[in-house]
Amino acid sequence: DAKTTQPPSMDCAEGRAANLPCNHSTISGNEYVYWYRQIHSQGPQYIIHGLKNNETNEMASLIITEDRKSSTLILPHATLRDTAVYYCIVRVARNRDDKIIFGKGTRLHILP
Amino acid sequence: KAGVTQTPRYLIKTRGQQVTLSCSPISGHRSVSWYQQTPGQGLQFLFEYFSETQRNKGNFPGRFSGRQFSNSRSEMNVSTLELGDSALYLCASSLSGGFEKLFFGSGTQLSVL
Repeated sequence: DAKTTQPPSMDCAEGRAANLPCNHSTISGNEYVYWYRQIHSQGPQYIIHGLKNNETNEMASLIITEDRKSSTLILPHATLRDTAVYYCIVRVARNRDDKIIFGKGTRLHILP
Repeated sequence: KAGVTQTPRYLIKTRGQQVTLSCSPISGHRSVSWYQQTPGQGLQFLFEYFSETQRNKGNFPGRFSGRQFSNSRSEMNVSTLELGDSALYLCASSLSGGFEKLFFGSGTQLSVL
């Protein structure tokens, strides 16, 4: 199964861009990459997803490398409220079996 | 618009018992999926229901089961509880399923003693 690898934790100064990397070297051509975050004691929150093109929405940008083996989530101006665990997720759809595989996540600390 | 509602919020059971957890999706959402979260294993996908049919299933034993009703509400059942089933159980709903833009509830914290 495809899996994701993320650094366990990162720090970012408030107001700066937070760049969260994710390795998904075993991803297949039709498998999407999703990013969610989880703030303590809440359910995960959807951020963004993509297949091979870069994506941007009101929350973040997603940069996927051309070989699709890795991606970076960018929070352009981090605030204290962005402190959370960020999950890079691969959606695996093979042989009519569709499931979602979570990585361990990156705990992002925003420093005032 | 009301979010995803999970009940109960906390539950304490003993080994060997069974438990039923409930999830009410966002109005109009037809897909409900369930997840287990533990400190050791992290978040793991259990199963997904769409229009009352189980569409996808993760790698969990048959003690874990679920169902979805015609109003899209879903229940998850765990039989013969084990200590290792202690976890936060999260459900998520989405409009069309397939893990597109999941909206998660706050979860049910299950403790098995």
